[in-house]
Amino acid sequence: AQTVTQSQPEMSVQEAETVTLSCTYDTSESDYYLFWYKQPPSRQMILVIRQEAYKQQNATENRFSVNFQKAAKSFSLKISDSQLGDAAMYFCAYRREAGGTSYGKLTFGQGTILTVHP
Amino acid sequence: GAVVSQHPSRVICKSGTSVKIECRSLDFQATTMFWYRQFPKQSLMLMATSNEGSKATYEQGVEKDKFLINHASLTLSTLTVTSAHPEDSSFYICSARRLGTSGVELFFGEGSRLTVL
Repeated sequence: AQTVTQSQPEMSVQEAETVTLSCTYDTSESDYYLFWYKQPPSRQMILVIRQEAYKQQNATENRFSVNFQKAAKSFSLKISDSQLGDAAMYFCAYRREAGGTSYGKLTFGQGTILTVHP
Repeated sequence: GAVVSQHPSRVICKSGTSVKIECRSLDFQATTMFWYRQFPKQSLMLMATSNEGSKATYEQGVEKDKFLINHASLTLSTLTVTSAHPEDSSFYICSARRLGTSGVELFFGEGSRLTVL
């Protein structure tokens, strides 16, 4: 079974600064997807960024980028120029590539609460 | 983007009653939907996979007679919490799977907060 671990229950950052959230995972599969989701106080899950395991290039979405280290099974999220609106709970998630009736289910990490100080 | 709607967003019920939560994909067909449960400041835990026209697949430890899932159409899945008790109080979130040209996409509902008195 796949597991996802976020070892930072809480993180804080000053507005305009950079913060990195850590995530490690365990899987025996070679093809899979990794995601970072943001959950603001509204509780709506928002996709921040995704990474295909077969791609060596790290994904980037505006101020958000990842450091994907497949061999180390590490997938960290870097938020640059942090904004007050970035404050939320962030979840790292894993999804297998293979099909089946449960294709698409996500395994989530424990989450990291990010506080942004003005 | 695709929209998934959950209803109700908040529900309060008395212990022993049953509560139904709906998850609708508004602008696409979803043969598969997922139901998650989330306690405050904790992770999302998958409860079951809902497949249109067939029985749901429950995760280990989830009581299928307690959490009834029905996926009767390509746009609607329902989760019924039967004989609810205070320990069932939680945040329930659904996710609908869409198969697009870029592969599998997942869209989340807004979630439903259940409080059992």
